[in-house]
Amino acid sequence: GAGVSQSPSNKVTEKGKDVELRCDPISGHTALYWYRQSLGQGLEFLIYFQGNSAPDKSGLPSDRFSAERTGGSVSTLTIQRTQQEDSAVYLCASSPLGAKMFFGEGSRLTVL
Amino acid sequence: GQQVMQIPQYQHVQEGEDFTTYCNSSTTLSNIQWYKQRPGGHPVFLIQLVKSGEVKKQKRLTFQFGEAKKNSSLHITATQTTDVGTYFCAGPNSGYTLNFGKGTSLLVTP
Repeated sequence: GAGVSQSPSNKVTEKGKDVELRCDPISGHTALYWYRQSLGQGLEFLIYFQGNSAPDKSGLPSDRFSAERTGGSVSTLTIQRTQQEDSAVYLCASSPLGAKMFFGEGSRLTVL
Repeated sequence: GQQVMQIPQYQHVQEGEDFTTYCNSSTTLSNIQWYKQRPGGHPVFLIQLVKSGEVKKQKRLTFQFGEAKKNSSLHITATQTTDVGTYFCAGPNSGYTLNFGKGTSLLVTP
């Protein structure tokens, strides 16, 4: 596609369940980022992938959060044993290395 | 670690008035980027500033990068209702990750 694609666009889950969020970056973009945005707040960095290098996981808030990027393309962010404070919009972005970031529409997660 | 702070948090103006948002970093930045997020939308890249003292214009928007490369501003002349949204500045953290400010939400009433 022409832009960064994220799915699902909305996810409602119960506390304690696991969720997977998917990001399909722009073709050819080597860098992929996950950010989290809580209601009315700024963007909180979660994790960064660059090519075949080890990901920068320094922003992951707890060991319940993990992410992988297969074949240098699609990425999945997994949240295990979800908590209510995990409710937020999860934004994925991709970019050519060191250049501007292109964001997807985001996945809105609501944990009941 | 490096922090990026923006003021004001909110700004409400009448259409036609000017608007300015300020961004300050705790450390010197190699560059700074600005993004706009419309209500219900996702952040969209506006511009990147790299040079000390750099000034760039995009129609009614003027972006400045401070001489010390620790601060930046975005000024909108004669706001329009289409300018509504949240404006974020972002500076590089470690490697190629970006550290975003909390943003300035602009509301423009006709």
